[in-house]
Amino acid sequence: DAGVTQSPTHLIKTRGQQVTLRCSPKSGHDTVSWYQQALGQGPQFIFQYYEEEERQRGNFPDRFSGHQFPNYSSELNVNALLLGDSALYLCASTQDQETQYFGPGTRLLVL
Amino acid sequence: GENVEQHPSTLSVQEGDSAVIKCTYSDSASNYFPWYKQELGKRPQLIIDIRSNVGEKKDQRIAVTLNKTAKHFSLHITETQPEDSAVYFCAASRGGSYIPTFGRGTSLIVHP
Repeated sequence: DAGVTQSPTHLIKTRGQQVTLRCSPKSGHDTVSWYQQALGQGPQFIFQYYEEEERQRGNFPDRFSGHQFPNYSSELNVNALLLGDSALYLCASTQDQETQYFGPGTRLLVL
Repeated sequence: GENVEQHPSTLSVQEGDSAVIKCTYSDSASNYFPWYKQELGKRPQLIIDIRSNVGEKKDQRIAVTLNKTAKHFSLHITETQPEDSAVYFCAASRGGSYIPTFGRGTSLIVHP
């Protein structure tokens, strides 16, 4: 049983570019959440997807958008990248609305 | 919204000692409190959680206590080992719509 997977593992972009990160949830999980973890900080909630719709959103600008597919996998898109977007992006999945299982993350560096 | 404060930011102990990490939360409606361990360069992993209808929960060397009145909860690790060295995060959320708010983390260093 595969856990949560994410791709790519690392990514380097320049300011102004756009990036797409991908996540496959743990088998049997239908809800996917995305988090941004800056160095030395706890994960910050970006948004959550359930039944292919954004169900809740944290305090992030519209440059951050997402999508969930019928197989429950998800994408996080960030437009007009800023230096401050450099962080570890974590995807987490859940089935019971409580226990979250995190993926390994995508480390994004914006130059 | 919810605000979670976590202390200390760094904790250094000798192998075999106990370690205690404390968190406070602001939203009295929060009822689910997980703890995550994140080793360097790895994903956060759930190590223990507690719900608001329980005051204490143990799992081998790890225990969590919850004081709903004071709105604080703590992680206790006994007989620490070098492999316990990691960053530990507490979180709080309302059940049913799981959007946890995380603390800023505690870097635990266990010296052999």
